[in-house]
Amino acid sequence: DTGVSQDPRHKITKRGQNVTFRCDPISEHNRLYWYRQTLGQGPEFLTYFQNEAQLEKSRLLSDRFSAERPKGSFSTLEIQRTEQGDSAMYLCASSSGAFNEKLFFGSGTQLSVL
Amino acid sequence: DAKTTQPNSMESNEEEPVHLPCNHSTISGTDYIHWYRQLPSQGPEYVIHGLTSNVNNRMASLAIAEDRKSSTLILHRATLRDAAVYYCILREFYGQNFVFGPGTRLSVLP
Repeated sequence: DTGVSQDPRHKITKRGQNVTFRCDPISEHNRLYWYRQTLGQGPEFLTYFQNEAQLEKSRLLSDRFSAERPKGSFSTLEIQRTEQGDSAMYLCASSSGAFNEKLFFGSGTQLSVL
Repeated sequence: DAKTTQPNSMESNEEEPVHLPCNHSTISGTDYIHWYRQLPSQGPEYVIHGLTSNVNNRMASLAIAEDRKSSTLILHRATLRDAAVYYCILREFYGQNFVFGPGTRLSVLP
């Protein structure tokens, strides 16, 4: 069990650029979650997948955000035309989807939009 | 998901017990109480969860009020490594997402 892996750990970009983050969940975990966290706040839910199906999206996920999980394995989160307000820590978590599942989080990707 | 209320911050001395409170007056009968904590520069990690009865594991104990409108996370002997933000979350059985509030920032003094 290598844990949840996120790449990159840090990303600095200019406003208006597109960025993509990757999350590799714990193998055999069928649920994958994306959260966003700003300084001093708890993580905010963005979206989650059950295998390859995206089952729920928060209204925080504007049309500039898109997430995919092809083949139900790794997931990517893309932000198009980044804005300074997108600066945050983006966290990925996976779980077995079983009764009273536990979430296992990665260390996150810190995005800074200049 | 029902809301929880936690103090913004608490302090404890090293090697002393810590009681972290959480109020959830609108809890429903099917809501489980989950606790996660987030160490500096890391993602949150699971601590403990329960429904009605008190629960113990190697990390902590969870004491749930008889009316389930409040709960307390108990760290029996705080260490410096327990300094973190602690989140109390209500989640329905087979609920969808976990809703995190701002949590309680615990400082542990040597």
